[in-house]
Amino acid sequence: EVQLVESGGGLVQPGGSLRLSCAASGFTFSSYSMNWVRQAPGKGLEWVSYISSSSDTTYYADSVKGRFTISRDNAKNSLYLQMSRLRAEDTAVYYCARDSGVGSFQGWFDPWGQGTLVTVSS
Amino acid sequence: EIVLTQSPVTLSLSPGERATLSCRASQSVSSYLAWFQQKPGQAPRLLIYDASNRATGIPARFSGSGSGTEFTLSISSLEPEDFAVYYCQQRSTWPLTFGGGTKVEIK
Repeated sequence: EVQLVESGGGLVQPGGSLRLSCAASGFTFSSYSMNWVRQAPGKGLEWVSYISSSSDTTYYADSVKGRFTISRDNAKNSLYLQMSRLRAEDTAVYYCARDSGVGSFQGWFDPWGQGTLVTVSS
Repeated sequence: EIVLTQSPVTLSLSPGERATLSCRASQSVSSYLAWFQQKPGQAPRLLIYDASNRATGIPARFSGSGSGTEFTLSISSLEPEDFAVYYCQQRSTWPLTFGGGTKVEIK
């Protein structure tokens, strides 16, 4: 069974940093691109960042560019999101989501993890 | 950035009725559009990709159509488990973007 399990969320002060992790199992992690998508409380979905299977390509939403860094460790079947200079508007549930295409970019998120909540507040 | 506008915001229907949800793109996305379903407290689930292809395990009552800038998600006969929020998403151009969502609620 394909599983994605996020961790690392919590309460952080504005200007602080946090590192999210996503543990993948049930599929060949190194063959798939991965994404982070977030959802502010009571709001819609916002794509945050993308990383290719070999880490040679990354993309970011303008709202997080220069503050967030996506990375992965294929040997550990893990995806990461390093978040710095956090703002109140970064408060959201953060989901990791696998790209639906094996070996090549498809651009569809399937499946998703259960999410981890990040709260930025003093 | 491609803006996706979903309508209506809320759709009030009874079980057994047909649901028709709309997603309009600010510029052409060809057929590079997907639909997701999200229930309270759960992660989204992929329903439709490439505008009209059902994802694995999705019932045949869900169908997608459209191309360019106008897209539709149809649910032929609503089941109790279909009452949820639905989002469209485009992969034509970076950044990947989502619509604001349509809530299908029980009338």
